Amino acid sequence: DGGITQSPKYLFRKEGQNVTLSCEQNLNHDAMYWYRQDPGQGLRLIYYSQIVNDFQKGDIAEGYSVSREKKESFPLTVTSAQKNPTAFYLCASRGGLAEQFFGPGTRLTVL
Amino acid sequence: SQQGEEDPQALSIQEGENATMNCSYKTSINNLQWYRQNSGRGLVHLILIRSNEREKHSGRLRVTLDTSKKSSSLLITASRAADTASYFCATDGRGVSGGYQKVTFGIGTKLQVIP
Repeated sequence: DGGITQSPKYLFRKEGQNVTLSCEQNLNHDAMYWYRQDPGQGLRLIYYSQIVNDFQKGDIAEGYSVSREKKESFPLTVTSAQKNPTAFYLCASRGGLAEQFFGPGTRLTVL
Repeated sequence: SQQGEEDPQALSIQEGENATMNCSYKTSINNLQWYRQNSGRGLVHLILIRSNEREKHSGRLRVTLDTSKKSSSLLITASRAADTASYFCATDGRGVSGGYQKVTFGIGTKLQVIP
């Protein structure tokens, strides 16, 4: 089965902790993306990567970090510097200039 | 900043009616895409229209693109209760390092189709 997976589905974090969200794809796509979605809102771009070992800041990168050591994987770390991290996080991948494929999302809640 | 803005933000129609959603964007694009999202789920791609295309059809969906006005519309004909979802447009703009891989989304239109 080709697709894109995110884990965990739900994540709870205490204030001051860093947490890492996983995103894996087996679609052989070069580009991968992280978006944040707040209730009733659209998607805001956090980071994107066009190719392995390269990534670019999106519109709301502060308080987040990423790595792209493998083509299949694009983990997102939500650091303690992110003041309001409670949100729904969506990962996507894209082959060339075609459509994006999305994972099912991770809902992060800060306690 | 978000590249696209959908209009209206919410739309409620009766089953069988047509639904039209609009999207405006700010910078030059390579293509524009429409996605659907059911509550709490990931997004599903509906249709992609390239910057050199003006209209595209897929089943009950019709998308138009006017690059001179930097706008697009999504028409869903003969709507069904199962079409109830949020609909987003996305555009790929030039990133810092070139290429059209920076894909940004609008705030979406929440469509409710009443049976």
